[in-house]
Amino acid sequence: SAVISQKPSRDICQRGTSLTIQCQVDSQVTMMFWYRQQPGQSLTLIATANQGSEATYESGFVIDKFPISRPNLTFSTLTVSNMSPEDSSIYLCSVPVLLPSPNEQFFGPGTRLTVL
Amino acid sequence: AQSVAQPEDQVNVAEGNPLTVKCTYSVSGNPYLFWYVQYPNRGLQFLLKYITGDNLVKGSYGFEAEFNKSQTSFHLKKPSALVSDSALYFCAVRALFTGGYNKLIFGAGTRLAVHP
Repeated sequence: SAVISQKPSRDICQRGTSLTIQCQVDSQVTMMFWYRQQPGQSLTLIATANQGSEATYESGFVIDKFPISRPNLTFSTLTVSNMSPEDSSIYLCSVPVLLPSPNEQFFGPGTRLTVL
Repeated sequence: AQSVAQPEDQVNVAEGNPLTVKCTYSVSGNPYLFWYVQYPNRGLQFLLKYITGDNLVKGSYGFEAEFNKSQTSFHLKKPSALVSDSALYFCAVRALFTGGYNKLIFGAGTRLAVHP
């Protein structure tokens, strides 16, 4: 199984500022996923980050708002830019399981963001 | 449209009684189905999956789920609930989208409350 860590675990930010969330995996993975979980809601995929190429964003999410970096096969960052209270959510990174089945996904512990 | 439905926002059950958390899905092709659990202030943990084979799959912590193709359902079950099972449960399906890439689609989540 993959061990995924995220930093920070939580933060309280002011409106209009930006926060960068880090995701570190203990093994090399080609794909990393970023999800948002708004209060009382389910998980929504923000984007898929492949190493060496631009992230692929889902409908409703844009690079200017959620820029993603993927400098190597074990690390990615998600920035929440120009934050508003509506961005208050838990942000989770996730990686696919490769063995024995390539269908599962592991999730990080999440970053709980509150925007005032 | 490809989707997952969890019709119950909350399920209440007494400790020691059997529990069922419902999930139905709509997906093109063969479904890959998953259950995840989220404890307070923690990330998602994988419980079990159905890919192929036996319709009854067994997972972590004594949970099992039954795949029913005719009813397009994948209900989560446990013969005897524990107070420690109280958490938020998510059903998910892996769906194939245009361009040949697939992603997890999550249900809205069901909060399970087990009372002593």
